[in-house]
Amino acid sequence: KQEVTQIPAALSVPEGENLVLNCSFTDSAIYNLQWFRQDPGKGLTSLLLIQSSQREQTSGRLNASLDKSSGRSTLYIAASQPGDSATYLCAVNGGKLIFGQGTELSVKP
Amino acid sequence: EAGVAQSPRYKIIEKRQSVAFWCNPISGHATLYWYQQILGQGPKLLIQFQNNGVVDDSQLPKDRFSAERLKGVDSTLKIQPAKLEDSAVYLCASSLGSGAQSDTQYFGPGTRLTVL
Repeated sequence: KQEVTQIPAALSVPEGENLVLNCSFTDSAIYNLQWFRQDPGKGLTSLLLIQSSQREQTSGRLNASLDKSSGRSTLYIAASQPGDSATYLCAVNGGKLIFGQGTELSVKP
Repeated sequence: EAGVAQSPRYKIIEKRQSVAFWCNPISGHATLYWYQQILGQGPKLLIQFQNNGVVDDSQLPKDRFSAERLKGVDSTLKIQPAKLEDSAVYLCASSLGSGAQSDTQYFGPGTRLTVL
């Protein structure tokens, strides 16, 4: 049974810092891994999708990596801004999406 | 392009009452998903439809939850009777294709259910 864990559960940083969010999963038989952003009272927005054959994906200030053999993914956010404050969820797709519990990020001005 | 629409946005009921949620997916999307997100947890898939057929309902508590997708478009999720532990946000998502490995899911804003 696939289990997805995200560390830390919450993170508070000053504006401008670079930061890393971590995601680990137990079953490496996946098609892809996605990182989502969730704002309070809103749905999920897909940020990055990494196919199982890929090592990383980049979009603007975001970079996600995938090490399938070790069951790990990281989301790197460069030069964080207050607008980045949200909950970040990773989800692995082995036929259906299995989500981690999320990391709540707060970026202080 | 209009996104996934859900209603109501909020609902408060007492335990043992019934409740229904509605979802209108993005036009043309074949696959529709219902997720349950309990506070502090990630979403959990309850049921997946492809057109109007059920693909996966393995985590749907079928003794109290039911869902349908008439004509392969809109969908309703019903809880009858509700329990305290059903308090959660219910998210609807849709995808263009069959839910295959590269199919992106688009999420609605969710319905926040509180059971008292």
